[in-house]
Formats: sequence, C-alpha cells, structure tokens
Amino acid sequence: AQSVTQLDSQVPVFEEAPVELRCNYSSSVSVYLFWYVQYPNQGLQLLLKYLSGSTLVKGINGFEAEFNKSQTSFHLRKPSVHISDTAEYFCAVSLYGGYNKLIFGAGTRLAVHP
Amino acid sequence: GAGVSQSPRYKVAKRGQDVALRCDPISGHVSLFWYQQALGQGPEFLTYFQNEAQLDKSGLPSDRFFAERPEGSVSTLKIQRTQQEDSAVYLCASSARAPTNEKLFFGSGTQLSVL
Repeated sequence: AQSVTQLDSQVPVFEEAPVELRCNYSSSVSVYLFWYVQYPNQGLQLLLKYLSGSTLVKGINGFEAEFNKSQTSFHLRKPSVHISDTAEYFCAVSLYGGYNKLIFGAGTRLAVHP
Repeated sequence: GAGVSQSPRYKVAKRGQDVALRCDPISGHVSLFWYQQALGQGPEFLTYFQNEAQLDKSGLPSDRFFAERPEGSVSTLKIQRTQQEDSAVYLCASSARAPTNEKLFFGSGTQLSVL
C-alpha cells in the first residue's frame, strides 16, 4: 500500500521569506507525485507534478519541488512567499500505470504574515 | 460549464436521513472521482468512474454509501441513514481521460453536517 506523510501540519512564515513544505511517501511500486493547493472555499488546484525525467519540477506561482528517490521525498519550495500563498497544501501520489487515483497526505497549512 | 460544479454547497442532515450529493463534471470528461475530506485531513478516495462504469468503489466506507453515473456525465453520491461520522466535505474531481498523469479538476465540494 502507498502512504504520504506531510511532516508539518502548520508552517508560519513572513512575507518574502523562503519556505519549504516537506513530504515523504511510502510505496513498494513506482508512483507519480503531486502537490495540490486548496484556497478557502475553493477546489484543489494542481501546483506541479513529477512523472519522470528531471527530478526538479517547476510549477505555477513560483513553486518548485524536488523528487529524491533515495529519501522517498518530494519537498515543495518557494524562494519568496506572498500573502496570497496562504492556503492548505497537499502532497499526493498515484500509482504508475494506474488511473490517477490519488492518495493524499494530511496537508500543511501555510500562513504568510506581513 | 467552465469547471466541476457540486451541489448543494452545504447540507445539514439529521442522523438517519438519506442525502444525495450531485457532481457536474467538465463536459466530455471521461474520468470522475469522489473523495471524502474530514476536518483537518487530506481527501480520501471513495470511488472512481470511467464514463458510466464504476471501476473502483474500494474506498466507500460502508454499504450506506452508493454512487452512480448513469449516462457518463453527472454523478450522484448517495448516503443512506446518515451518521455523525459521515460529516465531511465531499469532493468531486474529473479528468479528460483515464491515464494516471491526466490533470484532475476538483469541485469546491459539498460540506455535509450530520446532527
């Protein structure tokens, strides 16, 4: 079975500071990796995904993530956050060759303060 | 429509009542998923449709939960004899095709409160 662990439930940060949201996964088979963002009262939006190839993935809104197979991690980073980045962030995996059934972590609440 | 639409946005039910939650996916999307998101948790998979076929219902928590997509477009998630533990946000998502790397589009969800 697959599982996803998001190591921080909440991350407070000041505006324009860098941020890293941590994600580790467990799987005995190959997986795809995703980060989704959920703004209040909105649906989840895809930030970025890792399917294959370069381990550094760039997404929308200046976010990037790095796949580390040996550490089974897929941490999300942004060099300078804005107030508008305040949201819930979810890491997820799906099985390689499957039909996009996502297994989510519990989420990390990013709170950006002025 | 432009996105995945879910209705109602909020639903309050008395314990023991039946409820029906509706999902209108993006027109033409083949795949449709239902997820349950409890307070403070990530979404958990409930069931998956490819067109009108329900290919995976392994996440449905009990036989009180039933989902259908009879014409391969609109889907309904029905919960019979609701219990307090059913209180959650129910999310619907769709994608244009079935492969794993297809982008999923999520609706804003239906927040169900069982009193």
